[in-house]
Amino acid sequence: KAGVTQTPRYLIKTRGQQVTLSCSPISGHRSVSWYQQTPGQGLQFLFEYFSETQRNKGNFPGRFSGRQFSNSRSEMNVSTLELGDSALYLCASSPLKREGLVDTQYFGPGTRLTVL
Amino acid sequence: GQQVMQIPQYQHVQEGEDFTTYCNSSTTLSNIQWYKQRPGGHPVFLIQLVKSGEVKKQKRLTFQFGEAKKNSSLHITATQTTDVGTYFCAGGGANNLFFGTGTRLTVIP
Repeated sequence: KAGVTQTPRYLIKTRGQQVTLSCSPISGHRSVSWYQQTPGQGLQFLFEYFSETQRNKGNFPGRFSGRQFSNSRSEMNVSTLELGDSALYLCASSPLKREGLVDTQYFGPGTRLTVL
Repeated sequence: GQQVMQIPQYQHVQEGEDFTTYCNSSTTLSNIQWYKQRPGGHPVFLIQLVKSGEVKKQKRLTFQFGEAKKNSSLHITATQTTDVGTYFCAGGGANNLFFGTGTRLTVIP
């Protein structure tokens, strides 16, 4: 099976702009999660989608949003970019969302976002 | 909120020495997962522990889950240069994973 793919791999934006990142999960995986990774804060959970519904959300401002399509592909959007949004954005898919037991996360290569 | 702390943040070892990273949660976890991220790469799943007191081995790697399901450890015996990377634990809450801050391992040949 093909792994998780993310596009674009690299992105440079300026403050105030908005950006949309895309993630295609492993075929058959219905759960997609997004993480922000920075040197200072480590891996921070953004949100998780399952069957087109946001099931869980981390502590990020409303500028960060996402959605999932019927084919499980997911996008995340960041509006009004700030310098501090510079990070590696990782998407991860899981085969099944089970209550009480979070499944293995299969990570994509990430999108490296630089905000100037 | 739930937090997962991981120590140490950095570890430098001579090749052949052992290495251990520890993970502690403020709350009881449903499970614990371990990931490895090579420099420039993305996290890759290593193992999942579910049962209280569980111990699992993968060649030179030994993973433990505490009796209270609040802590875990990863021990590498006789490190090799291929072990270089950042090791993350991730504690399972009700519907979410809480990643530790990671331990960056450097192996000096």
